[in-house]
Amino acid sequence: DQQVKQNSPSLSVQEGRISILNCDYTNSMFDYFLWYKKYPAEGPTFLISISSIKDKNEDGRFTVFLNKSAKHLSLHIVPSQPGDSAVYFCAASDIGEYGNKLVFGAGTILRVKS
Amino acid sequence: EAQVTQNPRYLITVTGKKLTVTCSQNMNHEYMSWYRQDPGLGLRQIYYSMNVEVTDKGDVPEGYKVSRKEKRNFPLILESPSPNQTSLYFCASSAIEGYGYTFGSGTRLTVV
Repeated sequence: DQQVKQNSPSLSVQEGRISILNCDYTNSMFDYFLWYKKYPAEGPTFLISISSIKDKNEDGRFTVFLNKSAKHLSLHIVPSQPGDSAVYFCAASDIGEYGNKLVFGAGTILRVKS
Repeated sequence: EAQVTQNPRYLITVTGKKLTVTCSQNMNHEYMSWYRQDPGLGLRQIYYSMNVEVTDKGDVPEGYKVSRKEKRNFPLILESPSPNQTSLYFCASSAIEGYGYTFGSGTRLTVV
């Protein structure tokens, strides 16, 4: 039973346009939501996060939107660049008794065409 | 340089032969975690730790053990590896609850 779902396995976008990556979750107790970016042969790198008490967070070209009523979040990349081509993982944080339990989605492969 | 170091990067082993994947971080982070990445399943948490001697199971702990005797180290132990543990493993650490983990570069394990 996947608590975090990324329903689009891949997305292709033209350079300079907006990339929108989507994520749905089922557990309303998640405290934080995060996006990670992963290049081949490397570990995931943290991109941006949002607290469950907020609905938007911006960092340069990256904006994350959270819709708690719909249990949905999205990552917007504007403008998209070829270097953004990577796998993007959505993750949700569940602060358990023993620490930070991070639940990941299956990932979306983003291809930015020049 | 702040980093999470995993060793080895690649490992091929036989069924039943005990192995340990080491993980070390130099950022004095309290939180550490192990994940495995499989196609179509994303990253699934195996075990996580809040601090020394405090660990708990993640979503897929069966067949794995961990220990946290020192703050910087969090080894992953496979007592009797099986082919279904063939996967890409990542260790990660974090200083702040709910915030971004820093991941290691990964260990590609093949069990034959």
